[in-house]
Amino acid sequence: AQSVAQPEDQVNVAEGNPLTVKCTYSVSGNPYLFWYVQYPNRGLQFLLKYITGDNLVKGSYGFEAEFNKSQTSFHLKKPSALVSDSALYFCAVRPNSGYSTLTFGKGTMLLVSP
Amino acid sequence: DAGITQSPRHKVTETGTPVTLRCHQTENHRYMYWYRQDPGHGLRLIHYSYGVKDTDKGEVSDGYSVSRSKTEDFLLTLESATSSQTSVYFCAISEDRAEQYFGPGTRLTVT
Repeated sequence: AQSVAQPEDQVNVAEGNPLTVKCTYSVSGNPYLFWYVQYPNRGLQFLLKYITGDNLVKGSYGFEAEFNKSQTSFHLKKPSALVSDSALYFCAVRPNSGYSTLTFGKGTMLLVSP
Repeated sequence: DAGITQSPRHKVTETGTPVTLRCHQTENHRYMYWYRQDPGHGLRLIHYSYGVKDTDKGEVSDGYSVSRSKTEDFLLTLESATSSQTSVYFCAISEDRAEQYFGPGTRLTVT
């Protein structure tokens, strides 16, 4: 069975500082990994994905994520946080062979203070 | 929200009544999904479809049924709503192993 852990319910960061939202996963074989963002009263929006290749993946709105196979992690990062980045962030995983549904983490609320 | 609509967007219903939620897509994607979102649980998969009339259960399928008679429509039915089914329901679509795209959600309250 596959699973995702987002160890922090909430991350607080000041505007202009770098941010990291943590994600670790468990899956059989190699993973496909995804990050989504959810603004209040909206559906989830796709941010970025890791399929294969370069371990540093760049996505929308200046976000990037680093895949670390040995640590089974896929942390979301941004060099300089904006107040408008405040939202709920979800990590998701599926195996990269065959067909399987996505498993989501419980989400991390990011709060960026002015 | 990439060509995905959900209806209704809000619904209040009484315990024991049937409820049907509709997801409609204009992207012609093969896969469609129904999730529920609850505080502390993230998103949990209810049912999904991999083609017309082809559906399968997800993690929390008890009390729910689905139907897909056309590529563009995926219906979620609560046969007899219970208070534990009060939640926000999201539909999503995808093509094979690609990322999923989500609809705007339906907030369902069962009193």
